[in-house]
Amino acid sequence: IAGITQAPTSQILAAGRRMTLRCTQDMRHNAMYWYRQDLGLGLRLIHYSNTAGTTGKGEVPDGYSVSRANTDDFPLTLASAVPSQTSVYFCASSPGTSSGPQHFGDGTRLSIL
Amino acid sequence: DQQVKQNSPSLSVQEGRISILNCDYTNSMFDYFLWYKKYPAEGPTFLISISSIKDKNEDGRFTVFLNKSAKHLSLHIVPSQPGDSAVYFCAALPGDQGGSEKLVFGKGMKLTVNP
Repeated sequence: IAGITQAPTSQILAAGRRMTLRCTQDMRHNAMYWYRQDLGLGLRLIHYSNTAGTTGKGEVPDGYSVSRANTDDFPLTLASAVPSQTSVYFCASSPGTSSGPQHFGDGTRLSIL
Repeated sequence: DQQVKQNSPSLSVQEGRISILNCDYTNSMFDYFLWYKKYPAEGPTFLISISSIKDKNEDGRFTVFLNKSAKHLSLHIVPSQPGDSAVYFCAALPGDQGGSEKLVFGKGMKLTVNP
């Protein structure tokens, strides 16, 4: 089934550790996005990529980095995790240029202790 | 400051009745609006959208109304079904962003439809 795959599904991580959340899509979408969802705050954009080879900062980029080496993959890295990064992380993709709504993965639940 | 506001955190309705979910926005540059539905442990799924050049868009049981002058939109679900119980997010999109769509989401509203 076409869509977005996120891994891991959940993770408990010690503060200060490095962590990469994986996201892969098979819809050949140009644009990809990372959001975090926190209780009472909705979804907030962390980073995005218009197309392979380009990335941009969203609303809450600090403490996170991304790369877009190819069309399908858009990993999110926490270089040194802090407890405030405890959240549910969603990856999404869209065709780009306003040609369709964003499709979301099922999320990664991350707890930083 | 939240640019997209869903001021009611929850709504409970009886099966068969109408559910009305409201959303307000502050940024006049928003020109496209979407509603997403989210079940627990799943990602949001697109439900319905509306362009700022329209004031109504209908898809089956779901209708979205847009009042640009009031910067207000609402989602109507008629008739409501227990399977509609979920968290609903209102989202808005500013004008041309060069190929990406940096959605701005509201906080979400939990709808419970009782049998």
